[in-house]
Amino acid sequence: DGGITQSPKYLFRKEGQNVTLSCEQNLNHDAMYWYRQDPGQGLRLIYYSQIVNDFQKGDIAEGYSVSREKKESFPLTVTSAQKNPTAFYLCASSATGTRSPFFGPGTRLTVL
Amino acid sequence: DAKTTQPPSMDCAEGRAANLPCNHSTISGNEYVYWYRQIHSQGPQYIIHGLKNNETNEMASLIITEDRKSSTLILPHATLRDTAVYYCIVRVDSSGSARQLTFGSGTQLTVLP
Repeated sequence: DGGITQSPKYLFRKEGQNVTLSCEQNLNHDAMYWYRQDPGQGLRLIYYSQIVNDFQKGDIAEGYSVSREKKESFPLTVTSAQKNPTAFYLCASSATGTRSPFFGPGTRLTVL
Repeated sequence: DAKTTQPPSMDCAEGRAANLPCNHSTISGNEYVYWYRQIHSQGPQYIIHGLKNNETNEMASLIITEDRKSSTLILPHATLRDTAVYYCIVRVDSSGSARQLTFGSGTQLTVLP
C-alpha cells in the first residue's frame, strides 16, 4: 500500500543532542513537508521541498535542518539550537496538481 | 489565507448526525473550504473540501452558506471511531502545496456510546 512512513513513532533524546527524524513516501509525490504540532495547537510548517535537491524554510525553521537527496525521502534533523524541541512532528507529501496533502503518522519527540 | 473560527469541543451520540460548524467570514472568492480530522497522536486525514456548492463523499457532507461566510461538516451517522479533532481550513487552491495549510485549534468531537 502507498503511504508515508515516519520512524520511530516515539523518540527520546537528551538535551543538547542532535536527532534525525525519518520520513519516507512511496506515493511518487514531488512535494514533501515537515510540520510541528504542540499540545492543543495546530500545525506549524518547518520546512518544505517541492523538488529533489531543493527545499525552503517554513514559518519556524530555526534550529532545524533538512535534506532532499531522493524523491521519496525527506529527513528532518532537530539540532541542539532548537530551544524547545519536544513536540509531535508530522511529515506530509503532495503531488503536483492535487489539492489534499497526505500526512504520515507522526513522530513524538521528547527531549529530556 | 482567511481565518476560521470553530467551537473548541462538541459531543454527539453514537449513530446520530454530527454537525460541526465553522465561521470564515473573511473568506475571499478564490479560497476553498477544507476539512481535516486528526485522531489522537496520528497525522491529519483529509475529509472533504468545497468552493461554494455543497459536497458529499463517502465520509461526510459539506454545507456552505450562500454568502460563503460559514460552513458545516456533517457526519451522518457518527461512530466512536469518529472521535477526533476536526479542522476547518480555508485556502487558495493552487498546486496543492501543503505550505498553505494553516491549522487552527479545531473542534474536539467526542462521540458518546
